[in-house]
Amino acid sequence: EVQLVQSGTEVKRSGESLTISCKGSGYSFTNYWITWVRQMPGKGLEWMGKIDPSDSYTTYSPSFQGHVTISADRSISSAYLQWSSLKASDTAIYYCARHVRKTSSSNYYYYYFMDVWGKGTTVTVSS
Amino acid sequence: SSELTQDPAVSVALGQTVTITCQGDTLRSYFASWYQQKPGQAPVLVIYGINNRPSGIPDRFSGSSSGNTASLTITGAQAEDEADYYCNSRDSSDNHLYVFGTGTKVTVL
Repeated sequence: EVQLVQSGTEVKRSGESLTISCKGSGYSFTNYWITWVRQMPGKGLEWMGKIDPSDSYTTYSPSFQGHVTISADRSISSAYLQWSSLKASDTAIYYCARHVRKTSSSNYYYYYFMDVWGKGTTVTVSS
Repeated sequence: SSELTQDPAVSVALGQTVTITCQGDTLRSYFASWYQQKPGQAPVLVIYGINNRPSGIPDRFSGSSSGNTASLTITGAQAEDEADYYCNSRDSSDNHLYVFGTGTKVTVL
């Protein structure tokens, strides 16, 4: 079974550092990107960025560039989302997802989508 | 960066048909994918590449696209389809980036 298992709930104070993890299993981890998605309380989904575990090339949304770091360790099929100094506004659920690039049946188009999601990591930051 | 706009909420009678739309200029260049999210759960992929359903997604879910608008249709809505739905696409202003739509709450009456 293909799955992404995320680390558990975190309760932190402003200014503290944090790393949460996402471990893939049931597939070749380096063949797919890993995307991170934020969902603030009662709000919608926000695409934060992604990493190619084969070479650790990362792309960040401008909204998150400089505020978080995405990394991966392909030897243990894991991706990470890291903060060096948390803020209360970082309180949210963070999801990792397997991000797929698939060629259409006509070989003319690429499809991009997130087909497997972790259950989410809840991060609560108190001020 | 690109934006994808969805209606905040729609309602549908049990067994009837509802269409959710997602508008944005990036959809003229890239296909949308659609995600269903029920309260307290992670999102689930329901449609990708205009009208492709992953294994396990009922065939009452279908997708279409025209110009700057992608659509998700639920034909014969069931009570279990009540959820939030989000579109996602590549960002035409920087094709390394991706963007989610604002989300639509579907209520089944």
